[in-house]
Amino acid sequence: SAVISQKPSRDICQRGTSLTIQCQVDSQVTMMFWYRQQPGQSLTLIATANQGSEATYESGFVIDKFPISRPNLTFSTLTVSNMSPEDSSIYLCSVQGTSGTAILNEQFFGPGTRLTVL
Amino acid sequence: AQSVTQLDSHVSVSEGTPVLLRCNYSSSYSPSLFWYVQHPNKGLQLLLKYTSAATLVKGINGFEAEFKKSETSFHLTKPSAHMSDAAEYFCVVSVNTGGFKTIFGAGTRLFVKA
Repeated sequence: SAVISQKPSRDICQRGTSLTIQCQVDSQVTMMFWYRQQPGQSLTLIATANQGSEATYESGFVIDKFPISRPNLTFSTLTVSNMSPEDSSIYLCSVQGTSGTAILNEQFFGPGTRLTVL
Repeated sequence: AQSVTQLDSHVSVSEGTPVLLRCNYSSSYSPSLFWYVQHPNKGLQLLLKYTSAATLVKGINGFEAEFKKSETSFHLTKPSAHMSDAAEYFCVVSVNTGGFKTIFGAGTRLFVKA
């Protein structure tokens, strides 16, 4: 398994500002993802964080709005830029793939970051 | 292409009665199927998973699910509901096509009445 932590756990931000969310995994994993869960909704994949290269974004999400970094196999950040109230959501980091010698055939999720934009 | 449909947005049961949360999927590849639970203000927790082994899968907290390929279903059941089971449940399909592709269902909110 993989243990994932996220910082911050929650934040309240002003419109027009940016917030960077950190995701730390306790072991090296091949694949890391960022999801958004809007109030009362299911999870929507924002992007796959690629180590050493640009993230792969899903339809409807762009790098200028959600820049992602992944400097190594245990850490990633997601920035929500120029925020508006519509960005109020829970943002979740997830991992899958391999962790050390183990194959992770399910996704493990971080506890999420609850963002409220005023 | 892959898709997953949770047939009920809300299910309400009385404590001690059976639970049935329905999930149908569509996949061009051999899928892995999962059920996750999300309690209010908590993270996602894996309940159980099917990955091409036994079709009847037992999970945590007394839940189980049966993979029925002919019906493309993966319904979640529990013989006797407990108040602590009240939560949001997500059915998930995942395929490995050189990279993992994971699709979440819309979720089913389970209410448990005393």
